[in-house]
Amino acid sequence: SQQGEEDPQALSIQEGENATMNCSYKTSINNLQWYRQNSGRGLVHLILIRSNEREKHSGRLRVTLDTSKKSSSLLITASRAADTASYFCATAQFKAAGNKLTFGGGTRVLVKP
Amino acid sequence: ETGVTQTPRHLVMGMTNKKSLKCEQHLGHNAMYWYKQSAKKPLELMFVYNFKEQTENNSVPSRFSPECPNSSHLFLHLHTLQPEDSALYLCASSPRGSRGEDTQYFGPGTRLTVL
Repeated sequence: SQQGEEDPQALSIQEGENATMNCSYKTSINNLQWYRQNSGRGLVHLILIRSNEREKHSGRLRVTLDTSKKSSSLLITASRAADTASYFCATAQFKAAGNKLTFGGGTRVLVKP
Repeated sequence: ETGVTQTPRHLVMGMTNKKSLKCEQHLGHNAMYWYKQSAKKPLELMFVYNFKEQTENNSVPSRFSPECPNSSHLFLHLHTLQPEDSALYLCASSPRGSRGEDTQYFGPGTRLTVL
């Protein structure tokens, strides 16, 4: 079963509104990361939150992490048309052989002008 | 853009062909990854290389054969593929191959179609 699952699978909002998406996972993690993917392109790293952190900000992005519920949320404030993309959470488990990320299925966000 | 390039960007091949995907990173990273992204499925990790050594093979069929001649280059050799192997193949690299916080930098991907 996949480690990270995003909710909702798709989200449509008007420019200027906030977009919130959630990620749930099953096993313990070292950190959780959010990535963005524009259609048919590679993923771009947005933000990393460590397992001992509860909230983190980067520009218009706000990420929360609740390890007791094994969940995270990504909030994009004052959305723009350029924010239209798929957003993925990825959980990191450190292994002796190196870092490993497990990605969720993603949330497709459409920001209408 | 991100310092990770992939060639070709698009590839159409028959089931009996042999082809190779190439990935190059210009970031001085020590770890490289191959992922498969199919429609309506989560991103699937295929292989991980740390300091040129393969450290993860995620039960990938032998018709996919990776090669990592040095820390900057990663290849995926393809032979006798199936139509269900059609997908976007993404390469990524990260700074550290060992324990520690590590973010991954992705290439633009190769869109593969198997006829």
